[in-house]
Amino acid sequence: GAVVSQHPSWVICKSGTSVKIECRSLDFQATTMFWYRQFPKQSLMLMATSNEGSKATYEQGVEKDKFLINHASLTLSTLTVTSAHPEDSSFYICSAGGASTDTQYFGPGTRLTVL
Amino acid sequence: AQSVSQHNHHVILSEAASLELGCNYSYGGTVNLFWYVQYPGQHLQLLLKYFSGDPLVKGIKGFEAEFIKSKFSFNLRKPSVQWSDTAEYFCAVRGYNQGGKLIFGQGTELSVKP
Repeated sequence: GAVVSQHPSWVICKSGTSVKIECRSLDFQATTMFWYRQFPKQSLMLMATSNEGSKATYEQGVEKDKFLINHASLTLSTLTVTSAHPEDSSFYICSAGGASTDTQYFGPGTRLTVL
Repeated sequence: AQSVSQHNHHVILSEAASLELGCNYSYGGTVNLFWYVQYPGQHLQLLLKYFSGDPLVKGIKGFEAEFIKSKFSFNLRKPSVQWSDTAEYFCAVRGYNQGGKLIFGQGTELSVKP
């Protein structure tokens, strides 16, 4: 099956700093990647759709200037949490795939803790 | 707007018991439906999916789900659960022509007692 990786798997940072999370499709090309946020014991909330070579599409309520998404190649999308605050602490998950007849494959997630 | 509702927040069963997890969605058009499982400490894995055709779909590990269009439902079933089925289960919907976005239900935590 298709493999999606994320790096880092966990990160701890100080309030006010920026953190970059990478999402890679290892054995297939993904024109579309998705970024989700998952709070403990809760569901996945879609943050944005990342399209290769174009601007990301953000869901309502998600600050695009805070959560910067770049999809520079068909195998890599990055999420940068800028000026992180403790309330940004969460589990961030990416997925790749998603065309009308494709299945999304999920990465293992990145645990972000902002002190 | 699309939404997905999973009826059960936490289900506790003994091994060999039968399982049915409810999932209802709200969307006016054609949908693709999915069940994902998240084992403790692991990433989401696809259990099964429905795109079209036979509304009864079979997935991995003995799971199956039935799409009932008139009820906007896609319930997950397994005749006999095992301790290893302990996990979080998520129902998800993707509306046709919605850019591939998945909308997830709240999740159901399944605990299977040995």
